[in-house]
Amino acid sequence: QVQLQESGPGLVKPSQTLSLTCTVSGGSISSGRYYWSWIRQPPGKGLEWIGHIYYSGSTYHNPSLKSRVTTSVDTSKKQFSLELSSVTAADTAVYYCARGGTVPEAYYDSWGQGILVTVSS
Amino acid sequence: DIQMTQSPSSLSASVGDRVTITCRASQSINFYLNWYQQKPGKAPRLLIYDASRLQSGVPLRFSGSGSGTDFTLSISSLQPEDFAAYYCQQSYSLPPTFGQGTRVEIK
Repeated sequence: QVQLQESGPGLVKPSQTLSLTCTVSGGSISSGRYYWSWIRQPPGKGLEWIGHIYYSGSTYHNPSLKSRVTTSVDTSKKQFSLELSSVTAADTAVYYCARGGTVPEAYYDSWGQGILVTVSS
Repeated sequence: DIQMTQSPSSLSASVGDRVTITCRASQSINFYLNWYQQKPGKAPRLLIYDASRLQSGVPLRFSGSGSGTDFTLSISSLQPEDFAAYYCQQSYSLPPTFGQGTRVEIK
């Protein structure tokens, strides 16, 4: 059974870059069937999809965040990563990595436990 | 982006009750609608995909229906472990978008 685990700093200063990594275990990141996504949830609020990456490196990012988001994948380490630049307090959220497909199969059947990232000086 | 609107935002129910949550899309999404359950401090859990397909391991008391713009999630007999937040999500077009959530509370 595949498992995902987020890692990275829990505190980032305003205007800096948030960097997170998701490690995949118990399954292949290169299976070809799945896309690897980042989804976030501000405290007490709903879910926002950030973007996804395929094992080949192909990406799609939410246009609402597109200019600030970079994603990458390292298949040898079974990891994929998120960078969000120029963060503000509005980027404070629990960040989840998740496994899914792309449209129309973009539903998420495996999730990491989530990591709270606070943007504060 | 496709906007997803859930109703109600919250509801109170008792163990054994039948509960129905609705989700409306701002445009037709065929049957590409998914439902998640989220408990406090936990990641969302996929319950139903493609409007009515039950994810493996999900109890049969959960069911989904609908197509086009209007969808429902039903719980036939609410159990204590079902008190949680529920989110719909469209997978018809990128970016995937979620409803604002429905909180199911104990009456």
